[in-house]
Amino acid sequence: KAGVTQTPRYLIKTRGQQVTLSCSPISGHRSVSWYQQTPGQGLQFLFEYFSETQRNKGNFPGRFSGRQFSNSRSEMNVSTLELGDSALYLCASSYSTGASSYEQYFGPGTRLTVT
Amino acid sequence: AQRVTQPEKLLSVFKGAPVELKCNYSYSGSPELFWYVQYSRQRLQLLLRHISRESIKGFTADLNKGETSFHLKKPFAQEEDSAMYYCVPTQGGSEKLVFGKGTKLTVNP
Repeated sequence: KAGVTQTPRYLIKTRGQQVTLSCSPISGHRSVSWYQQTPGQGLQFLFEYFSETQRNKGNFPGRFSGRQFSNSRSEMNVSTLELGDSALYLCASSYSTGASSYEQYFGPGTRLTVT
Repeated sequence: AQRVTQPEKLLSVFKGAPVELKCNYSYSGSPELFWYVQYSRQRLQLLLRHISRESIKGFTADLNKGETSFHLKKPFAQEEDSAMYYCVPTQGGSEKLVFGKGTKLTVNP
């Protein structure tokens, strides 16, 4: 079974620009979550999508948004980039039904650098 | 507020020694607890979850609801156990994982 894939793997953007990151979950997984990882804050939950609906949301500003398509693939968008948005963005998928918390399978991440 | 504390940022032991990675959590309701691990140049992956109560790679973790702790233990550490370990609680049924800061374990030969 193919793992979670994320594209692109590396990205360099300038302050003020916007960026879109993509995540393809494991086949059959309907839940996709996004996390931001930085040396200072560690791993922080951004949001989770399930069946094309945002089901959970972390404490990030509205510049961070996401969506999920009917094939469960997900994208996250960051608008008006700031230097502090430089981070590793991880995507994770799980076979979630909502009745119990399932194992999450993580992708390799997208390294975003904002200059 | 949901909070998880891993007091040791770095932990170094010798091969064959016992190891315990501490985790304390503050969580309302009935959380589910996990340990995730990231080996060098590998993806973050699940090590074990408290519901399954199983031993994975020799590691066990007992949920102590009275002390709100979920410490990870292994009686005899191996060099291949060197990795970053994260204690992760979540609300039962939720996929929103709250990661601790992690403990970097180094097992010396």
